[in-house]
Amino acid sequence: NAGVTQTPKFRVLKTGQSMTLLCAQDMNHEYMYWYRQDPGMGLRLIHYSVGEGTTAKGEVPDGYNVSRLKKQNFLLGLESAAPSQTSVYFCASSARDRRGYTFGSGTRLTVV
Amino acid sequence: QQPVQSPQAVILREGEDAVINCSSSKALYSVHWYRQKHGEAPVFLMILLKGGEQKGHEKISASFNEKKQQSSLYLTASQLSYSGTYFCGTGNAGGTSYGKLTFGQGTILTVHP
Repeated sequence: NAGVTQTPKFRVLKTGQSMTLLCAQDMNHEYMYWYRQDPGMGLRLIHYSVGEGTTAKGEVPDGYNVSRLKKQNFLLGLESAAPSQTSVYFCASSARDRRGYTFGSGTRLTVV
Repeated sequence: QQPVQSPQAVILREGEDAVINCSSSKALYSVHWYRQKHGEAPVFLMILLKGGEQKGHEKISASFNEKKQQSSLYLTASQLSYSGTYFCGTGNAGGTSYGKLTFGQGTILTVHP
């Protein structure tokens, strides 16, 4: 039982490059989330999804896009990376009945 | 708006107790507590739902006062393994919350032998 798996774990991008972060969960959870974590700021919600084919904006969505074509996968895309997007990105999933989140191990992204 | 956690940091010796507080300016439906060790993902500790309940998890327990829009995490007889950053995540009332959480800035807990 893998839980939530994120790939890649580390990545360095040049300003203006694009990339996609993949999140996969095997718990049949309905809800999935992308958060970014910056020093002293806790976790901030980027986008979330309440089911296959649906996505919505969170607190800090600018510069990111997401897709959830399959229930188990939630993709986060950066179309044109900026240094301000240097962060640790966490994917999380939860069941509909308001249980706790299960987090992935994170992706450390550096934009130079 | 982000909930406010206090204190920002606390240092303990093994066996000592600590309290971490989480306050919100918005009406709350739920409060989650997570612990994150350095370089790792946050790990779920417990959830408290509207109703002022108190929950326990071994020597870690929490309370939720919905009138005051506050939650407190109690760590008793601390162990070295309790070291890490503790986050509260708050969920607002309303049918469209979809489990979304707003996290506090974190409280760094260090336990020394």
